[in-house]
Amino acid sequence: DAGVIQSPRHEVTEMGQEVTLRCKPISGHDYLFWYRQTMMRGLELLIYFNNNVPIDDSGMPEDRFSAKMPNASFSTLKIQPSEPRDSAVYFCASSPTTGGKNTGELFFGEGSRLTVL
Amino acid sequence: KQEVTQIPAALSVPEGENLVLNCSFTDSAIYNLQWFRQDPGKGLTSLLLIQSSQREQTSGRLNASLDKSSGRSTLYIAASQPGDSATYLCAVDTGTASKLTFGTGTRLQVTL
Repeated sequence: DAGVIQSPRHEVTEMGQEVTLRCKPISGHDYLFWYRQTMMRGLELLIYFNNNVPIDDSGMPEDRFSAKMPNASFSTLKIQPSEPRDSAVYFCASSPTTGGKNTGELFFGEGSRLTVL
Repeated sequence: KQEVTQIPAALSVPEGENLVLNCSFTDSAIYNLQWFRQDPGKGLTSLLLIQSSQREQTSGRLNASLDKSSGRSTLYIAASQPGDSATYLCAVDTGTASKLTFGTGTRLQVTL
């Protein structure tokens, strides 16, 4: 398996522009997570999905952030409009289930480094 | 609110040394605890996962222990190698479907 695949790996954009980050989870994993990593705040959970349904989006910082999972193999995280303080590395991770229960083990993608000027 | 602390923030050791990384958490009602490794510019790789009912887990030269009552975990690395150089993060799962709270990590450098 290719693992969790994220694109783009690097994105530089100007303040006010729309940014869309993409993620392909590992096939068969029922959980998908979006995390953000910054030097100041470390890793923070933004939102997670179970079977394509958003379960908890309490970590999404503002209404400018939105996430979708239209099918089991694709998710997007959108920021509109982007601001310099959104600059961070955004990670997608997926997790399998065993017997219908989440195993707790996370598999991370290599991240999308976002710079908003 | 769960808080996870890792000490030290950075550590440099010569090759071959055994070392211990520390992780503490404020709420002992956890589902599991994981140790991850992060190389520069890369994602996180899960090293060890300890369920709340377990005391330790081992994988090769790595051994992780968990003391829920005291809110502590340690990651022991035996016979360190330059390839072990990375940032090590611990994360606790409060049981809400892998909603992990991460520590800020320990940056390890193993020198020749």
